[in-house]
Amino acid sequence: EAQVTQNPRYLITVTGKKLTVTCSQNMNHEYMSWYRQDPGLGLRQIYYSMNVEVTDKGDVPEGYKVSRKEKRNFPLILESPSPNQTSLYFCASSFPPGQQNSPLHFGNGTRLTVT
Amino acid sequence: EDKVVQSPLSLVVHEGDTVTLNCSYEVTNFRSLLWYKQEKKAPTFLFMLTSSGIEKKSGRLSSILDKKELSSILNITATQTGDSAIYLCALLSGTYKYIFGTGTRLKVLA
Repeated sequence: EAQVTQNPRYLITVTGKKLTVTCSQNMNHEYMSWYRQDPGLGLRQIYYSMNVEVTDKGDVPEGYKVSRKEKRNFPLILESPSPNQTSLYFCASSFPPGQQNSPLHFGNGTRLTVT
Repeated sequence: EDKVVQSPLSLVVHEGDTVTLNCSYEVTNFRSLLWYKQEKKAPTFLFMLTSSGIEKKSGRLSSILDKKELSSILNITATQTGDSAIYLCALLSGTYKYIFGTGTRLKVLA
């Protein structure tokens, strides 16, 4: 089944403890991206990647890191999480964006709580 | 600064009603505009609209882009309770960033 898989689905952690949220897709998509969703603010893009070893900042990259060493994986790293990073996170992927066959496909989300 | 504004923020209708959701945008370099439906979890894709201005239809849902007015509408006819969701509009900019609106929360009453 074609899908974007995020892990974990739920995560509670403490301030300053490094964590990684994994994202993997099996559709051979070039484009991958991370979003956070907060009430009243909608979905905001954190980072995106056009292909392997190519990453760019979205609108809210502060406090996050990403890497794209393989086409299928795009992990999100929080080196020193803070309570303001408590949010619902989505990973998404697509073929090169802007083409008719390339809408974003979303994972099921990771709910992160930082205390 | 590129931005997307959706209206109304929320809407309550009865089954069988027709609804129109609005999305207006500002962007320096437009590539495409997308509509998504979000129920309890991941957004699911509805339509992608490009500069061609062609209306997209799928069953009771349809959408069209007005490039002159920098806006798009999503129409849902003969609404059902299963249409209750948050509807998201997203803009793909020239730099391949996605900018989402805050969404319209639709509730359809039986």
